[in-house]
Amino acid sequence: GDSVTQMEGPVTLSEEAFLTINCTYTATGYPSLFWYVQYPGEGLQLLLKATKADDKGSNKGFEATYRKETTSFHLEKGSVQVSDSAVYFCALSERTNAGKSTFGDGTTLTVKP
Amino acid sequence: DTGVSQNPRHKITKRGQNVTFRCDPISEHNRLYWYRQTLGQGPEFLTYFQNEAQLEKSRLLSDRFSAERPKGSFSTLEIQRTEQGDSAMYLCASSGDGGGNQPQHFGDGTRLSIL
Repeated sequence: GDSVTQMEGPVTLSEEAFLTINCTYTATGYPSLFWYVQYPGEGLQLLLKATKADDKGSNKGFEATYRKETTSFHLEKGSVQVSDSAVYFCALSERTNAGKSTFGDGTTLTVKP
Repeated sequence: DTGVSQNPRHKITKRGQNVTFRCDPISEHNRLYWYRQTLGQGPEFLTYFQNEAQLEKSRLLSDRFSAERPKGSFSTLEIQRTEQGDSAMYLCASSGDGGGNQPQHFGDGTRLSIL
């Protein structure tokens, strides 16, 4: 079945540092890929997505590129802020009508001033 | 767009009791999903509705669990004879048509604690 493996956390960075959170996947089909973010006390919200190979999703300074050859979708940001402290989830969704998502276990990011 | 609403936010109950959670999706979304999330894990798929039809159920959904979506609007998830292992955050999400390309919009979840 489908699975998503994320870099283990927690990750602690200083403000303005470079961020990478690794994500690799296995899928039976050709999935769409997502990053969701969960801020403290809030629900999951979409951060960015990519629906086909070599697509780059971007939002709020975060980027991730769909790499089919390495089955990866690593999240990057050039300069993190304290307000980026949250839990980040990588997820995939098959292109069937169901659209249910398979999630990684999440990576907790803490950014210190 | 008022977002996905879940009630209650927290539920504490004794083992063996029945509990019911409600989810109100974004009004124009016809797909509704239930997930379960335990500490340190990502959400795990439980079940999915297309309008009022329940189209898929995970093996995680034992016969003590039942979900409904009457009239294709709000949904309820009921757990009968609760067990300690049912303690978790129960998440509801909704999306529009478009299959796996559509992101899901999540509610804030209902946290269930079994005493």
